[in-house]
Amino acid sequence: GENVEQHPSTLSVQEGDSAVIKCTYSDSASNYFPWYKQELGKRPQLIIDIRSNVGEKKDQRIAVTLNKTAKHFSLHITETQPEDSAVYFCAATGSGGSNYKLTFGKGTLLTVNP
Amino acid sequence: GAVVSQHPSRVICKSGTSVKIECRSLDFQATTMFWYRQFPKQSLMLMATSNEGSKATYEQGVEKDKFLINHASLTLSTLTVTSAHPEDSSFYICSASIQRNEQFFGPGTRLTVL
Repeated sequence: GENVEQHPSTLSVQEGDSAVIKCTYSDSASNYFPWYKQELGKRPQLIIDIRSNVGEKKDQRIAVTLNKTAKHFSLHITETQPEDSAVYFCAATGSGGSNYKLTFGKGTLLTVNP
Repeated sequence: GAVVSQHPSRVICKSGTSVKIECRSLDFQATTMFWYRQFPKQSLMLMATSNEGSKATYEQGVEKDKFLINHASLTLSTLTVTSAHPEDSSFYICSASIQRNEQFFGPGTRLTVL
């Protein structure tokens, strides 16, 4: 099955700096890569996603890049703010069947210091 | 749009009892619903995938006789934790899928087994 590795596990930045979180996946057939933000005790919230037919997608301060050849994708947050502090998860769909189940990375605890 | 609810949000039960958790898609019909378990400071682990009117597909290592899943309609799936034990204490989250890949998460249910 699919295996998703995520780094770093923790990331601390100063307000206004950029933050980058990287993930790799194992299944070359995976075609959907979402990023979720989860605050303590809350549900994961989709912040951006990318499909395998594009290499980059941007939404205001958030961007995601995908390298299909290398099987890795990254989340970029610019001009970080304290409210960006949360756990971020990457995920990827595995191949096989039509249920599109997601495999999650282990998460990155992002702390933005004022 | 794409709102998913879960009930209850918190439940405390005695060891040996059963607990039912409901997951509803409020404003759309979900072709597939997923059940995840999340232990403190860990990632989401998929337990099972359920499609309306058919048996759920369980992930390896998840006991189907202990975690009963019923998906009676396109807007409702239930997870019953049977004969709960303290090690079953966790945050249980459901998600629902409308179209390919994208999943919308419920707010989660915090289960504590005494």
